[in-house]
Amino acid sequence: QQQVKQSPQSLIVQKGGISIINCAYENTAFDYFPWYQQFPGKGPALLIAIRPDVSEKKEGRFTISFNKSAKQFSLHIMDSQPGDSATYFCAAKSGGSYIPTFGRGTSLIVHP
Amino acid sequence: NAGVTQTPKFRVLKTGQSMTLLCAQDMNHEYMYWYRQDPGMGLRLIHYSVGEGTTAKGEVPDGYNVSRLKKQNFLLGLESAAPSQTSVYFCASRHYRGLSQPQHFGDGTRLSIL
Repeated sequence: QQQVKQSPQSLIVQKGGISIINCAYENTAFDYFPWYQQFPGKGPALLIAIRPDVSEKKEGRFTISFNKSAKQFSLHIMDSQPGDSATYFCAAKSGGSYIPTFGRGTSLIVHP
Repeated sequence: NAGVTQTPKFRVLKTGQSMTLLCAQDMNHEYMYWYRQDPGMGLRLIHYSVGEGTTAKGEVPDGYNVSRLKKQNFLLGLESAAPSQTSVYFCASRHYRGLSQPQHFGDGTRLSIL
């Protein structure tokens, strides 16, 4: 049973465009929602994270939008650049768990 | 500060051979994890450890064993390799303090079983 559903599986965007990746979850106990970025040949690395007490968090061109009632959260990449081409994973974790639950990943390609 | 280091980076095995993957972290993290990454399947948890001397099964533990004899090291063993174990293996670690601690990943071990 997939507890965090991530879409789309792949995404192609033109340079300067907005990339949007969505995740939906079922477990209302989740209270930490990180996004990881993975470049080819490398391990995932934390990009940005949010807790459910805020609806939005922005770091540079990257923004997480969080909708607690809909149990959804999304990553927006503004002014997408070719260097943003990577695989992005959303994740969710509850405070009482050792284990985060990952989405299946989105492969983003930004064309120059 | 190396973070999480995985050894080896690449390996090719024949079916039935055994091997051990080593993960070492220098951040004094309590929690450590082994994942496998396959196309379209995301990151699947194999085993994890919440402290020295402890291990627990994850989502896909069959065919793998682990040991955490030292806090900084987490070993993943394949006793009898099978082609289905061809994958990229990632180790991760996390500090136990605080609710919002991210995982830190190594750069992976690419394993092919022929």
